[in-house]
Amino acid sequence: GESVGLHLPTLSVQEGDNSIINCAYSNSASDYFIWYKQESGKGPQFIIDIRSNMDKRQGQRVTVLLNKTVKHLSLQIAATQPGDSAVYFCAENPSGTYKYIFGTGTRLKVLA
Amino acid sequence: ETGVTQTPRHLVMGMTNKKSLKCEQHLGHNAMYWYKQSAKKPLELMFVYSLEERVENNSVPSRFSPECPNSSHLFLHLHTLQPEDSALYLCASSQDREGAAYEQYFGPGTRLTVT
Repeated sequence: GESVGLHLPTLSVQEGDNSIINCAYSNSASDYFIWYKQESGKGPQFIIDIRSNMDKRQGQRVTVLLNKTVKHLSLQIAATQPGDSAVYFCAENPSGTYKYIFGTGTRLKVLA
Repeated sequence: ETGVTQTPRHLVMGMTNKKSLKCEQHLGHNAMYWYKQSAKKPLELMFVYSLEERVENNSVPSRFSPECPNSSHLFLHLHTLQPEDSALYLCASSQDREGAAYEQYFGPGTRLTVT
């Protein structure tokens, strides 16, 4: 299910370290943002979301930060585990639309 | 995960064939989506149905024809495809409330190869 053949930026981290994956979004009208994880052979899986009235949202081992000034989104994964190895996508949703605009994705590799 | 299922998982078809992709969601959602994921591009939105009405058609060629007979089922009818249409086709659903968007749940996709 991953974007095989697409030249994705790759982030390699040691098991147990924290990971930070970044995303620049394009539409200043976007007010809802989602991070997805996609493992090989599977569809994207929801991780965490955030609305534009917030700067930060935390989940289990994950934190999303939103900087509307520079249109930047980041996903922080604490204590990265081998099972976190996947491609991570951000998606933005312009207000009042059904459109979800996806980024190209970042491949996370966790080194044992 | 069985919330959103897609069949078939793999499909090989010639350019003159007609085939259909099927998606079913078991989550009680009111919106369903078709996306195309190809090797050299980000995930591309194709169609959106909300309450069984098509609300988004993202400049998709007419050789792709969606159908949403009810809120749980979504089809993508394919005919006279081109080799560049080979991709992973993903279905998703979401529960949109009061005009606000919520997270989408994706199926595993259908890997389509056009020969």
